[in-house]
Amino acid sequence: DADVTQTPRNRITKTGKRIMLECSQTKGHDRMYWYRQDPGLGLRLIYYSFDVKDINKGEISDGYSVSRQAQAKFSLSLESAIPNQTALYFCATSAPSSGGVNEQFFGPGTRLTVL
Amino acid sequence: GNSVTQMEGPVTLSEEAFLTINCTYTATGYPSLFWYVQYPGEGLQLLLKATKADDKGSNKGFEATYRKETTSFHLEKGSVQVSDSAVYFCAAGGGTSYGKLTFGQGTILTVHP
Repeated sequence: DADVTQTPRNRITKTGKRIMLECSQTKGHDRMYWYRQDPGLGLRLIYYSFDVKDINKGEISDGYSVSRQAQAKFSLSLESAIPNQTALYFCATSAPSSGGVNEQFFGPGTRLTVL
Repeated sequence: GNSVTQMEGPVTLSEEAFLTINCTYTATGYPSLFWYVQYPGEGLQLLLKATKADDKGSNKGFEATYRKETTSFHLEKGSVQVSDSAVYFCAAGGGTSYGKLTFGQGTILTVHP
């Protein structure tokens, strides 16, 4: 079984709809992250969480919100989807590091299309 | 925070050719450096990493050396295979960007038989 799972894997929706993307992990990691991937732009950080009570904005958080329901679950919501939120979305997890950052483990991604 | 710049792609090579993908970074402090690989339809997976200057990361025939003096972490492989076709991402993390990774834009590699 995959250590980091994302649902759904693909989603097509319409402008103005509310969308939730879900991420679950079995790695026991405290840290979880949401990224979006766009061609030519690499991955950009949307939100991150270092534990259940800690939520932080990334570089492109406008138009998104998150919920950390448990150590293993981290959901990303688009309150009112718009076409330029069409992208590939990745969830990732990592263990804490005294030195600053550890390897991140990625889910398979959710391809979201907003019409 | 950190920033990462990768060579512009895509890169197309014949099997057994030598591969270099350039990566430079800017950072305050001393980041850890990573190369991730994304195969078609999959998420990213760690290829190699280095945590301090002059460290060499290596895996599956790929190598990269953390060069503090040139702020670089170029990825190399002596003989590529068709199965190496993927998107490669350079990333920097830690330092003043505690707990976070900053990714380059990615380089698409296509290897032909």
